[in-house]
Amino acid sequence: GENVEQHPSTLSVQEGDSAVIKCTYSDSASNYFPWYKQELGKRPQLIIDIRSNVGEKKDQRIAVTLNKTAKHFSLHITETQPEDSAVYFCAPHSGGGADGLTFGKGTHLIIQP
Amino acid sequence: EAQVTQNPRYLITVTGKKLTVTCSQNMNHEYMSWYRQDPGLGLRQIYYSMNVEVTDKGDVPEGYKVSRKEKRNFPLILESPSPNQTSLYFCASSLVGLTDTQYFGPGTRLTVL
Repeated sequence: GENVEQHPSTLSVQEGDSAVIKCTYSDSASNYFPWYKQELGKRPQLIIDIRSNVGEKKDQRIAVTLNKTAKHFSLHITETQPEDSAVYFCAPHSGGGADGLTFGKGTHLIIQP
Repeated sequence: EAQVTQNPRYLITVTGKKLTVTCSQNMNHEYMSWYRQDPGLGLRQIYYSMNVEVTDKGDVPEGYKVSRKEKRNFPLILESPSPNQTSLYFCASSLVGLTDTQYFGPGTRLTVL
């Protein structure tokens, strides 16, 4: 199965600054790269995803960039706000039907006022 | 309203007492799965189902059973719960498979004494 690692495990940034979270994966056949956000006490929810035919995708303050050669993709959050405080998970996959889904262990993003 | 529901939301039980956590989705999704979430370990997949009557083990299936008799329901069964199964459990569904958005239920917090 996929070996997924996220870095850092905890990230503390000042409100208004940018945050970057990196996800590395092992399966070169992976072609779907999502990021999920889990606020405290809530369920994970998809915030942005990218497919392998695209190198970058942006949605307002968040963006995802993909480096297929190096097998990693990153979540970028600009102009961070208190509501960005959460745990973020990546879950890359190739779409193969026989495999399950492996999530990264998560990155706890703390926005300091 | 499109949603994934789980019941119960909270459960305290004792070692060895069989229990079932129900999961239901009303989005006609084919793929359903169960995850457990533990501090520092992220989301780990227990079992998944690509369609009715098709189930497969995830990364941590020991001590759990599932069934998929109907498309909308995917119950998680603990035949003889043990304290190491104390965790937060999430059910999730997606339209077709692992390169689609995973929609999570609200979570079930289980404590086994």
